[in-house]
Amino acid sequence: SAVISQKPSRDICQRGTSLTIQCQVDSQVTMMFWYRQQPGQSLTLIATANQGSEATYESGFVIDKFPISRPNLTFSTLTVSNMSPEDSSIYLCSVGYRGTDTQYFGPGTRLTVL
Amino acid sequence: AQSVAQPEDQVNVAEGNPLTVKCTYSVSGNPYLFWYVQYPNRGLQFLLKYITGDNLVKGSYGFEAEFNKSQTSFHLKKPSALVSDSALYFCAVRSPTSNTGKLIFGQGTTLQVKP
Repeated sequence: SAVISQKPSRDICQRGTSLTIQCQVDSQVTMMFWYRQQPGQSLTLIATANQGSEATYESGFVIDKFPISRPNLTFSTLTVSNMSPEDSSIYLCSVGYRGTDTQYFGPGTRLTVL
Repeated sequence: AQSVAQPEDQVNVAEGNPLTVKCTYSVSGNPYLFWYVQYPNRGLQFLLKYITGDNLVKGSYGFEAEFNKSQTSFHLKKPSALVSDSALYFCAVRSPTSNTGKLIFGQGTTLQVKP
């Protein structure tokens, strides 16, 4: 399995500001995903980060609110823009390899918006 | 539409006893099924998966799960629970026709193992 790191591990932010979360993998991966886990809730896919092209967003998530970059096969960023307290969640990246169906998750970024 | 249900918010077992965490799914075609565990303040750890083959799959930490197509279930089991198994468990499903790799997660079940 991959070694996945996320930065920051946690942050407390003010309403109206933006936070960029980084996801770094120790090997090249085919697919990278960003999930949100709201307090006491399950995981919901935000988008698939595509290398060299625009991310594919799930229903209910838009690029203006959650811009994503993936400049290469080992790195991606998720920005949470113009934050409100409703954005307080754990944000997790996950990765998948071609030829395997398993996704491996990073440790998550715990975001609190005041 | 694809969905996953974990009917129990919490499961309580005594250490040494067998445990079962239930999961049922709804997906078109033959599903890909997964179990993940989340410890407090940690990310998700992969436990096991069913893609094809034997209905009983074995995974990490002594866990196993049984795929039952007729009941559309994929219950997680362990013969003898440990206190350290206490965590939040998620069942997830992926459609084999999906070209995005998207996982649909259940609501999660908190497992509490008491000494």
